Amino acid sequence: SAVISQKPSRDICQRGTSLTIQCQVDSQVTMMFWYRQQPGQSLTLIATANQGSEATYESGFVIDKFPISRPNLTFSTLTVSNMSPEDSSIYLCSARDQETQYFGPGTRLLVL
Amino acid sequence: GQQLNQSPQSMFIQEGEDVSMNCTSSSIFNTWLWYKQDPGEGPVLLIALYKAGELTSNGRLTAQFGITRKDSFLNISASIPSDVGIYFCAGQLGGSARQLTFGSGTQLTVLP
Repeated sequence: SAVISQKPSRDICQRGTSLTIQCQVDSQVTMMFWYRQQPGQSLTLIATANQGSEATYESGFVIDKFPISRPNLTFSTLTVSNMSPEDSSIYLCSARDQETQYFGPGTRLLVL
Repeated sequence: GQQLNQSPQSMFIQEGEDVSMNCTSSSIFNTWLWYKQDPGEGPVLLIALYKAGELTSNGRLTAQFGITRKDSFLNISASIPSDVGIYFCAGQLGGSARQLTFGSGTQLTVLP
């Protein structure tokens, strides 16, 4: 199994600013993903983080708003840019090995 | 896109009771996963199912991959207070993308 850590675990930010969330996996994984989870809701896939190339974004999410990096097989970052209160959510990093998919503890973001 | 219907949306049960929840899909999945999410945490994998008809147990938890590949259920026997949380099913298609589609979640409350 893969153990995933994220930082920060939570943050309170002012609108118009940007926050970068880091995700570290303890083993090399084939795929990494970023999800968003509104309170009391299910998980929504933002994008697949591709090593050494541009991320693959889902409908409704764009690179300018959520730039993603994945410089190697175990690390990825998600930036939430030009934040507004609607971006307040939990952001979850996820990684897949050969068999299944695991999740990090999440980053709780509140935008004022 | 794929749709996953998870039911029930919430359950209140007495400690010691058994509980069952299920997911149905409009599409065929190659893998079914069941996760539990505690407040303030990321989803934790409970059981993974890889073959139609597969029945897998993990302690007091039992899950089955439906024969039609469009459904799965999770049973929890002899519930205890720490079973409280949100349970999510997730289905995965085959192919290179292999993205997960999540159910809406079942909020479980165990009453003493």
